[in-house]
Amino acid sequence: EIVLTQSPGTLSLSPGDRATLSCRASESVNRNYIAWYQQKPGQAPRLLISTASFRAAGIPDRFSGSGSGTDFTLTISGLEPEDFAVYYCHQYSRTPYTFGQGTKLEIK
Amino acid sequence: QLVQSGGEVKKPGESLEISCKVSGYSFDKYWIGWVRQVSGKGLEWMGIIYPGDSESRYNPSFQGQVTISADRSTETAYLRWSSLKASDTAVYFCARSALGPGWYPMYLDLWGQGTLVTVSS
Repeated sequence: EIVLTQSPGTLSLSPGDRATLSCRASESVNRNYIAWYQQKPGQAPRLLISTASFRAAGIPDRFSGSGSGTDFTLTISGLEPEDFAVYYCHQYSRTPYTFGQGTKLEIK
Repeated sequence: QLVQSGGEVKKPGESLEISCKVSGYSFDKYWIGWVRQVSGKGLEWMGIIYPGDSESRYNPSFQGQVTISADRSTETAYLRWSSLKASDTAVYFCARSALGPGWYPMYLDLWGQGTLVTVSS
């Protein structure tokens, strides 16, 4: 299976800062089939980005995704208070589909 | 939307089936996946089913431990255990999979609210 490793495990930043979250795959992800989700406590995950760089409907443009092959990045420009949450990457290139272990974005 | 059944408290060895009722889109034209989340931990992809023909694909880690099914007449997907273990204690999410070329299951774009399953003696 494709193992996704996210870094850092925890990111401490202030509102207004820029957040850069990394997701590295154990092998190349075909067609850049990587998605990013945001999860807040007690809630279901919410889709942010699909196919590495396509924002889902209703997602603010401060969220952007990039990358290809084995290295992918989620960038949040100008953090808002509601952005502090856990973020997961997800590959749907090959079954079993897998998730990264998550990056917790916390307020500094 | 996807609406899941309520939380369950069960004993080890008991069976359980939780449900995911779909509305607002064509049930048999999108894959539905199940995702496990142990308290305080990350997301685990368990498997996926295409209600149109009941084709299913399992994560080997969950193959044989659970059964994923779908009922087109009630537009409901199910996750079933025949013999629960304490280690099955978790929140389980169902989610719709967006479609790629050739009905390929893609990312999860619509999620249920989650069902908490607690297994304890």
